[in-house]
Amino acid sequence: NAGVMQNPRHLVRRRGQEARLRCSPMKGHSHVYWYRQLPEEGLKFMVYLQKENIIDESGMPKERFSAEFPKEGPSILRIQQVVRGDSAAYFCASSTRTAQRDTEAFFGQGTRLTVV
Amino acid sequence: GDSVTQMEGPVTLSEEAFLTINCTYTATGYPSLFWYVQYPGEGLQLLLKATKADDKGSNKGFEATYRKETTSFHLEKGSVQVSDSAVYFCALKVGNEKLTFGTGTRLTIIP
Repeated sequence: NAGVMQNPRHLVRRRGQEARLRCSPMKGHSHVYWYRQLPEEGLKFMVYLQKENIIDESGMPKERFSAEFPKEGPSILRIQQVVRGDSAAYFCASSTRTAQRDTEAFFGQGTRLTVV
Repeated sequence: GDSVTQMEGPVTLSEEAFLTINCTYTATGYPSLFWYVQYPGEGLQLLLKATKADDKGSNKGFEATYRKETTSFHLEKGSVQVSDSAVYFCALKVGNEKLTFGTGTRLTIIP
């Protein structure tokens, strides 16, 4: 059973370009979470999705950022018109159930975005 | 809102030394508490967890006890190894599974 798969592992974009980050959850997991880790900082929650639904996007910047988790295929985090401040590691996590105190979220290896 | 405060690093110890990494939290509800570990270039792995007061989580020689009275979840290990070198994150979760993380503590163990 493969773990959470993120690709690409490393992504370099010029200012103004678009970045698309992909996350395939573990088999059987229908809940996906995206987190952003700025250099030398902890992880900050961005968005929580279930299949075809955004459940909580309270951590998403209001502009340029969007996320989806379609019925088929991976979850996508999309950043339009990237700026240098978007350079960070973006982690995806998946889990099986909601509102369970002991439910574990499994993390992918992350996508390291560098904006030049 | 919810927040986690953990001991700032970096922390450097000699092999076989005793380790404590402090973690305190504030939460709007009754949280579950977690320690995650991140090895260089990797994602986060769950190290241990505790879901209610006085529970002790343990794994790979690491322990942490959920102390509601002091709102703490300090990580301890009696004898660290070089392979324990990593970044350690304390985190909490209330309700809808969104994890709130501390800023992380970088641990380096020297032989």
